Amino acid sequence: AQSVAQPEDQVNVAEGNPLTVKCTYSVSGNPYLFWYVQYPNRGLQFLLKYITGDNLVKGSYGFEAEFNKSQTSFHLKKPSALVSDSALYFCAVRASTSDDYKLSFGAGTTVTVRA
Amino acid sequence: NAGVTQTPKFRVLKTGQSMTLLCAQDMNHEYMYWYRQDPGMGLRLIHYSVGEGTTAKGEVPDGYNVSRLKKQNFLLGLESAAPSQTSVYFCASSKYRGPIFEAFFGQGTRLTVV
Repeated sequence: AQSVAQPEDQVNVAEGNPLTVKCTYSVSGNPYLFWYVQYPNRGLQFLLKYITGDNLVKGSYGFEAEFNKSQTSFHLKKPSALVSDSALYFCAVRASTSDDYKLSFGAGTTVTVRA
Repeated sequence: NAGVTQTPKFRVLKTGQSMTLLCAQDMNHEYMYWYRQDPGMGLRLIHYSVGEGTTAKGEVPDGYNVSRLKKQNFLLGLESAAPSQTSVYFCASSKYRGPIFEAFFGQGTRLTVV
């Protein structure tokens, strides 16, 4: 069975400071990894994904994520957070093998960026 | 393109009533998913489909049924609604392979069962 853990329910940072949202995963074989963001009363928006290749993935709105296979982690990062980054962030995993198509999400991390 | 469209956006049901949530995608995606979102629990997979005419159970399938008679549509049914099914429901779709295969989400359906 595949799963995603987001160990922090909430992350609070000051505007201009670095932002990190943690994610670890468990999946059979190689993973496809995703980060999504949800603003209040909205659906989920795709931020970035890791498929293969370079472990550092760059995405929308200045976000990036680093894939670490040995630690089974895919942490989301932003060098300088903005108040507008305040939202709910989800990490998701899907197995790259052809016999498991499920997309599994973590419980989410609420990010609050204070001015 | 409209992307993923969910109907309705809001609904209030009485316990025991039935209803169907409709999800339509115009991106020719093979995979479609239904999730429910509850506070502190993130998104939990209810059912999913890997192609027209096929469905499979996710993490929390009890009390729900689904059908995918057409590739572009994925229906979620509640035969006898219960207060525990009060939630926000999201539909998503994705391709199996290709350069863009991340899941695209609808805007959600907020369902209240009283």
